[in-house]
Amino acid sequence: DAGVIQSPRHEVTEMGQEVTLRCKPISGHNSLFWYRQTMMRGLELLIYFNNNVPIDDSGMPEDRFSAKMPNASFSTLKIQPSEPRDSAVYFCASSTGTTLAGGAGELFFGEGSRLTVL
Amino acid sequence: GESVGLHLPTLSVQEGDNSIINCAYSNSASDYFIWYKQESGKGPQFIIDIRSNMDKRQGQRVTVLLNKTVKHLSLQIAATQPGDSAVYFCAEGRSGGGADGLTFGKGTHLIIQP
Repeated sequence: DAGVIQSPRHEVTEMGQEVTLRCKPISGHNSLFWYRQTMMRGLELLIYFNNNVPIDDSGMPEDRFSAKMPNASFSTLKIQPSEPRDSAVYFCASSTGTTLAGGAGELFFGEGSRLTVL
Repeated sequence: GESVGLHLPTLSVQEGDNSIINCAYSNSASDYFIWYKQESGKGPQFIIDIRSNMDKRQGQRVTVLLNKTVKHLSLQIAATQPGDSAVYFCAEGRSGGGADGLTFGKGTHLIIQP
């Protein structure tokens, strides 16, 4: 399996521009998570989906952030308009479920998308 | 405040020595703990997990110890190798919360010196 695939790996944009990050979870995984990582705050959960349905978006910092999962193999995280403080590495992760039965708590992370907003 | 934290942000050990990375947690309701390893430029990778009904679990060259009395978690890496250089995160969660209930610490940077 190719693992969780994210694109782009790097993005540099100017303040005010729209940013769209993409994720393809591992086939067969029914839970998908978006995390943001910064030196100051570490790994923060932004939102997660179960069976393509958003379950908890309380980590989404502002209305400028939105996420969608139109099907089981694709998700997007959009920032509009972007601001310099959004600069971070954004990770997508998937897992087999949201219960702790067996190894369901294991998250498989993508390589991340490094966003720089100037 | 942060519910999961690390005692040492950076740990430097000699190649071949054993290393111990510590983690404190504050949520008494947490009953599931995971260690992740993150190499430079990559996403976190699962190492080992432990449930609260255990106090020790061993993997290949790694051992996780859980002390619920003092809410302390540690990761021991035996005979460290250059490839062990990475940032290590502990994460806590609760049964029924699944992966969505995981809270990550800020990480410890392990440096392996030749």
